[in-house]
Formats: sequence, structure tokens, C-alpha cells
Amino acid sequence: NAGVMQNPRHLVRRRGQEARLRCSPMKGHSHVYWYRQLPEEGLKFMVYLQKENIIDESGMPKERFSAEFPKEGPSILRIQQVVRGDSAAYFCASSLASRGVTDTQYFGPGTRLTVL
Amino acid sequence: GESVGLHLPTLSVQEGDNSIINCAYSNSASDYFIWYKQESGKGPQFIIDIRSNMDKRQGQRVTVLLNKTVKHLSLQIAATQPGDSAVYFCAEKNYGQNFVFGPGTRLSVLP
Repeated sequence: NAGVMQNPRHLVRRRGQEARLRCSPMKGHSHVYWYRQLPEEGLKFMVYLQKENIIDESGMPKERFSAEFPKEGPSILRIQQVVRGDSAAYFCASSLASRGVTDTQYFGPGTRLTVL
Repeated sequence: GESVGLHLPTLSVQEGDNSIINCAYSNSASDYFIWYKQESGKGPQFIIDIRSNMDKRQGQRVTVLLNKTVKHLSLQIAATQPGDSAVYFCAEKNYGQNFVFGPGTRLSVLP
């Protein structure tokens, strides 16, 4: 029973390149959340998606960042023209329910993005 | 003892002792809380949760206490083991809203 899967686990990009981070939710989960974590800090919400819909992107920067969760395939967080400040760990979580009272989120192992 | 490190507060306990990790949450309307454990280089792992209509919930070696009056959440770990060394986060949410995570506490288990 696979948990949340993320790939790649480590990603190195030069300034100005694009970064694509993938997340496959737990089996049966159709709600995906992306978080960003800087070293020694907590997780900051970025975006919440259901299949083919962005539900809440209030935590995502307006420029260069985008996310999708297509009908088939993993959710993708895309960062265009990366800058050094984008270096962080990006975690994906999935849940069974829809931000209800007890929609426990289960996390993937994260993608650690390093921008040179 | 407990001390504030450069970024994360750190709690150091002797192996075999009980640990108590505290969290002050911000929203009095929050109705669901989760404790996560994050080991170095890994994603947060669900430990235990509690709804706002409860003040205590027990799991295997862990107990979560909720005091809504002072907006305080605590995680108690019995007979702390070396494998318990990690950063522990509390997360709160209100119905229909997103989770808000606390800054985390690093638990260091001394031999």
C-alpha cells in the first residue's frame, strides 16, 4: 500500500531554469496539497488541488509558480526561472476528504530543490 | 531541559524518560489538530490527532492533550527512545480551511 510518492527526491537547477516537481497521492486520495519548507522552519501552505481543479492557491507566489493535477497522472508543481531563494524542500500531502473536519493529510518524502 | 536554539526550540531528554512537547496554537476556532514527526531528510509523519470536542487522546506510547481555554496542545511521549529523535510539529485547522503548522520542536534523546 504505497504512500504519497514524490520525485525527484533531489533536484539541482541553475538560476533561470525551470523546476518540475511531481507528486502521486495515496491510492484513493483525490486531494493534493503542496507545502514549502525552509531549513529549520515549519511547513508553509502553497496550493490545494483536486483532480483538474485548483481549489486554493493563496499560498503560492503569483509569478513563476504554477500547479496542476490532471485527470490522469501526478500533480505537478512548476517553478519557472528559478532563483536562489526558491531553494527549499517541497512537500506534497494527500487526503481522502475535502478539508472537512478530519481530513488527515499524509505527506510524501519531499523534493529538495537546490538552485545554484 | 528545554532551550531555544538558533531557529528551533530543542528539548533534550534522557532515554527512558517521558517527553512533553508543547504547542501554542493561534486560532480559537480551530477544531482539528495533528501532531507530526519529521526525521531528518524525510517528510512529516502522522503521529496522532485530536478533535476540539476532546481534551485527551491516547495512542501507542503517545498522548495528546488539548486545552482550548489557553489554546495549548501538548504531545507526551512515554519511555522516550532514540528513534523518537526528530522535529515535532503541531498543525491546527478550522473546518474548510487549510492546516497551519507550528514552527516545530526538536527532540533530542540522550543515551
